[in-house]
Amino acid sequence: NAGVMQNPRHLVRRRGQEARLRCSPMKGHSHVYWYRQLPEEGLKFMVYLQKENIIDESGMPKERFSAEFPKEGPSILRIQQVVRGDSAAYFCASSPSSGAQPQHFGDGTRLSIL
Amino acid sequence: ELKVEQNPLFLSMQEGKNYTIYCNYSTTSDRLYWYRQDPGKSLESLFVLLSNGAVKQEGRLMASLDTKARLSTLHITAAVHDLSATYFCAVDRAETSYDKVIFGPGTSLSVIP
Repeated sequence: NAGVMQNPRHLVRRRGQEARLRCSPMKGHSHVYWYRQLPEEGLKFMVYLQKENIIDESGMPKERFSAEFPKEGPSILRIQQVVRGDSAAYFCASSPSSGAQPQHFGDGTRLSIL
Repeated sequence: ELKVEQNPLFLSMQEGKNYTIYCNYSTTSDRLYWYRQDPGKSLESLFVLLSNGAVKQEGRLMASLDTKARLSTLHITAAVHDLSATYFCAVDRAETSYDKVIFGPGTSLSVIP
């Protein structure tokens, strides 16, 4: 049973380019969460999605960042016009439902901005 | 706003010693999680604590929860090098209907021979 799959594992972009991060949740999981981790820091909540719905995006910057979880296919975290400060590890987690369930994390995407 | 604090943030301990990591949170919560992260790796779920007085143990690690004090502890017994990692506690916001989990800053543990 495959775990949470994130790709790419490493992504390098130049300032001003777009970054697309993908996350396929565990089989049977309908809840997806995105987190950002800066070096030597904890995880910061960005957004919580269910299929075709954004439930909570309170942790996501208002500009340049967007997320989706379509009916078919992986969840996508999209960062437009990247800046140096976007360099971080982005983790996706999934759970089967809300309530008393530990989230299962992917291996993360390390985004580096040149 | 829910805040989660951990201390210490950095811990260097000798093999065979015991130590406790503390996790404090600021508002009512129903669930507390402990995760482990190895450098450059993902997070691994260690414990889920659901009620006041809950205690769970796995190998050399034992976690407990005191919801009245808003405190959880992760106790390490007779540390071994393999336990070197960063440990995060995370707390659910009780007022939401879903798992909006807030993470602490992490405790970086180094176990030295």
